[in-house]
Amino acid sequence: NAGVTQTPKFQVLKTGQSMTLQCAQDMNHNSMYWYRQDPGMGLRLIYYSASEGTTDKGEVPNGYNVSRLNKREFSLRLESAAPSQTSVYFCASSEMFVNAEAFFGQGTRLTVV
Amino acid sequence: KNEVEQSPQNLTAQEGEFITINCSYSVGISALHWLQQHPGGGIVSLFMLSSGKKKHGRLIATINIQEKHSSLHITASHPRDSAVYICAVPISSGSARQLTFGSGTQLTVLP
Repeated sequence: NAGVTQTPKFQVLKTGQSMTLQCAQDMNHNSMYWYRQDPGMGLRLIYYSASEGTTDKGEVPNGYNVSRLNKREFSLRLESAAPSQTSVYFCASSEMFVNAEAFFGQGTRLTVV
Repeated sequence: KNEVEQSPQNLTAQEGEFITINCSYSVGISALHWLQQHPGGGIVSLFMLSSGKKKHGRLIATINIQEKHSSLHITASHPRDSAVYICAVPISSGSARQLTFGSGTQLTVLP
């Protein structure tokens, strides 16, 4: 039982390049989330998908897009990376939206130079 | 003003000590989450509670809904408890609620 699998673990991008972070969960959870974590700040929500077929903006959505490909997979895309997007990104899932235990991926450390 | 405040920011303890980490929030909530972030970066859920107290091994979480306050206690602390402990509460933002996270408490337990 893998839980939440997130790839890649590390990535270095040049400014302006694009990339997609992949996330998959095998717990049949309805809700999935993308967060970023920056030094000295709490986790901040980028986008979420409360249920399959829906996606919504979180606190810091600018510069990102998401796709809920199916119930298992939720990807995060950076169309034109900027140094301000240097961060650690976490995918998470929960059985239902917000009021349920959250399970996190191992994180992606992204550096934009 | 942060909607979720944790204290202390940093805590160093000797092995065996009783640890308390506090979390205060500013709005009414339905539940509060405690998470642990390992030195390697992985995040695991410790508790989700909406009232009273929950216990898991040496970890105890309490919440006082009226006072908008929760505490995480670790009994007989051990160096392997060294981690960042994060509390989170669902807070309405726009048309939806989302988890809002505290900035974390860095705990170091010395042997």
